[in-house]
Amino acid sequence: DGGITQSPKYLFRKEGQNVTLSCEQNLNHDAMYWYRQDPGQGLRLIYYSQIVNDFQKGDIAEGYSVSREKKESFPLTVTSAQKNPTAFYLCASSTTGENQPQHFGDGTRLSIL
Amino acid sequence: GQQVMQIPQYQHVQEGEDFTTYCNSSTTLSNIQWYKQRPGGHPVFLIQLVKSGEVKKQKRLTFQFGEAKKNSSLHITATQTTDVGTYFCAGPKGFQKLVFGTGTRLLVSP
Repeated sequence: DGGITQSPKYLFRKEGQNVTLSCEQNLNHDAMYWYRQDPGQGLRLIYYSQIVNDFQKGDIAEGYSVSREKKESFPLTVTSAQKNPTAFYLCASSTTGENQPQHFGDGTRLSIL
Repeated sequence: GQQVMQIPQYQHVQEGEDFTTYCNSSTTLSNIQWYKQRPGGHPVFLIQLVKSGEVKKQKRLTFQFGEAKKNSSLHITATQTTDVGTYFCAGPKGFQKLVFGTGTRLLVSP
């Protein structure tokens, strides 16, 4: 079954700690995205990648970093520079081309300890 | 910057009542997409509208794209408890990026 797998489902971060959220897809999609969702709000784009070894900042990239070494994988690191990391993080992917629908993973809920 | 607003933010209906959410963009859109997010879940793509004035139906859901391509609506006829969730519209922002609306949260009481 094709899909997007995010792990872990829940994650806790201590002060000054970097944490990495995993996102793996087997849909053979070139484009991948990371969004942040705060309670009762919409999705805000953190980073996106249109192809392997390339990625671009989204609207709220500060305090986050990503890598795209493999087509299937797009991990997101929440660094200690992100002062308000508590949120629901969603990874998505899509086929190449303008205005393609995005497919989402189940998300990771990150909280501060 | 480009903004996509939705109203209402929240609506609580009795099962069987109709529901409509409206999506308004600050800029003209080449297309609009709609997603549904169940409580505790992830957004799921519902439909895409491309043409000015386009109307598409999916069972009890009717989607409309405005003539000026700056607004859209989703109407649900005779809501059911399975319709509970947050409905988002999303418009393109550059190549392969989307800007999501603020969302409308629907609660349906049996």
